[in-house]
Amino acid sequence: GENVEQHPSTLSVQEGDSAVIKCTYSDSASNYFPWYKQELGKGPQLIIDIRSNVGEKKDQRIAVTLNKTAKHFSLHITETQPEDSAVYFCAASTYSGAGSYQLTFGKGTKLSVIP
Amino acid sequence: NAGVTQTPKFQVLKTGQSMTLQCAQDMNHEYMSWYRQDPGMGLRLIHYSVGAGITDQGEVPNGYNVSRSTTEDFPLRLLSAAPSQTSVYFCASSYSTPRGVHSYEQYFGPGTRLTVT
Repeated sequence: GENVEQHPSTLSVQEGDSAVIKCTYSDSASNYFPWYKQELGKGPQLIIDIRSNVGEKKDQRIAVTLNKTAKHFSLHITETQPEDSAVYFCAASTYSGAGSYQLTFGKGTKLSVIP
Repeated sequence: NAGVTQTPKFQVLKTGQSMTLQCAQDMNHEYMSWYRQDPGMGLRLIHYSVGAGITDQGEVPNGYNVSRSTTEDFPLRLLSAAPSQTSVYFCASSYSTPRGVHSYEQYFGPGTRLTVT
C-alpha cells in the first residue's frame, strides 16, 4: 500500500517569514495530493490540492509543488501570519477502481507562527 | 447545508462495551469514510463506502463495523471497546469518482473524542 512521509514534525517561524513542509510518497499510481489544515479541536480542512498532471499550483499565499519523478510534493506558505498556526497534513490518493479510492495521510506538521 | 455532522462529540466507554458513532452529510455525497487520529500517527482509514449498500475496509478495520443503508448516513460501530480504540474519530464525505477520474475533495466532520477505560 501507499506510504506517505512528512517532514518536519514541528516548525516554528517568525511572522512574515515563509514555511515549507515536505512529503514523499511510495506508490507511483497515486494521482491526487491534497493538503489539509487542522485547527485545535476541529476536523481537517482542505487548503490546496494538486493532481498528478500538474507541477505547481498557487492560491494567494500558499502553493504546492509536485515532482512525480522523485515522488515528493511540498507546501509553501509565504508571509506567514499567526492564524496560519495549526497542524498541516499532506495526503496521497490512489484510485482503486469502481469509484473507490483511498487517502493515505502523513503524520502531520505542527506549524507555529511567532508574532 | 450543515455539511458533515458527527455525534456524540465526546464519549467514555468501559472495556467491552459497544456503541455506535453517528455520521451524517447533507451534500448528497456518494463517498463516505471513517478515520481515526492518534497522536503522532496522522489519520488512518478505518472503513469507507462508495455508495449506499457498498462498504470496504481501510487500513485499520479490526474491531469496527460499518453499514450504509442510505446516502446520508454512515454509522461506525464498536463491537467490544478496547483501550486501544481510544482516539479521535473523523467522518468524511466527497463525491464519488467516475471511472478514471481523480479523487475529489473530502469534507471532514468535527470529530468524536472517544476514551475507553
